Amino acid sequence: DADVTQTPRNRITKTGKRIMLECSQTKGHDRMYWYRQDPGLGLRLIYYSFDVKDINKGEISDGYSVSRQAQAKFSLSLESAIPNQTALYFCATSGETSSSYNEQFFGPGTRLTVL
Amino acid sequence: DAKTTQPPSMDCAEGRAANLPCNHSTISGNEYVYWYRQIHSQGPQYIIHGLKNNETNEMASLIITEDRKSSTLILPHATLRDTAVYYCIVRVATYDYKLSFGAGTTVTVRA
Repeated sequence: DADVTQTPRNRITKTGKRIMLECSQTKGHDRMYWYRQDPGLGLRLIYYSFDVKDINKGEISDGYSVSRQAQAKFSLSLESAIPNQTALYFCATSGETSSSYNEQFFGPGTRLTVL
Repeated sequence: DAKTTQPPSMDCAEGRAANLPCNHSTISGNEYVYWYRQIHSQGPQYIIHGLKNNETNEMASLIITEDRKSSTLILPHATLRDTAVYYCIVRVATYDYKLSFGAGTTVTVRA
C-alpha cells in the first residue's frame, strides 16, 4: 500500500464549482504539504501544515484553502474553481527525525482540469 | 529569485554515467544541496543531499565543489528508468522546510 495517497487521481470540473482534493498518509509524519505543478514548470507550494493546529500559506495560496482533519489527513479546497487552476496537484509529507526531515515523500498526484 | 541554475536538458547513453551539473553561487553556509527527480507526472522522489562533503547512496553520488558554489549529481550506471526531470534545490534542512522547485534538468537515457 502506498504511504501517501491522493483522491481523486483525476478530476474534471467546471468554472465556479467547489472541489476538494484529499490526501492521506500512513507514515506517521506531522508535516504535510500541498504543491501544484503546471506543464513544464517545477512545483510551487500552496499550503503547509506542521501539525493539526498549525497551517501556513505557501507562495501561491490565493484561491485555495486547506483543512487538517487529523495527523494523517490534509485536504485542499478550491472554493470557486477557475481555469488557471488547471494543474497537477501533489501532496507531500515529512517527519521531524534527523533522517526523515531531510526528505519529503510525495503522493501520486491529482490531475485537475477546470473547464 | 532562483537559487540554482541547471541545464534544461541532457542525454545519456544507457549504462554510462550521467553527470548532472548545478550552480548555486549564492548558497549560504547553512544551506544544503538536495536533489530530487520526477519521473513523468509522478510525485517527485528524493535522491540525495549534502552540505559540503561528497555523498553517496544506493541511487547516486553528490560531488560538491570546495567553494560550494556548484555541485554535480552522478548516476553511475544510467538505465532507461532513470529518464526523468532532476531538480537541484538548496535549503536549510532544519528550518527551511519548503522545497523550491525550479524547472530542473530533463534527462533522457537512450538505449
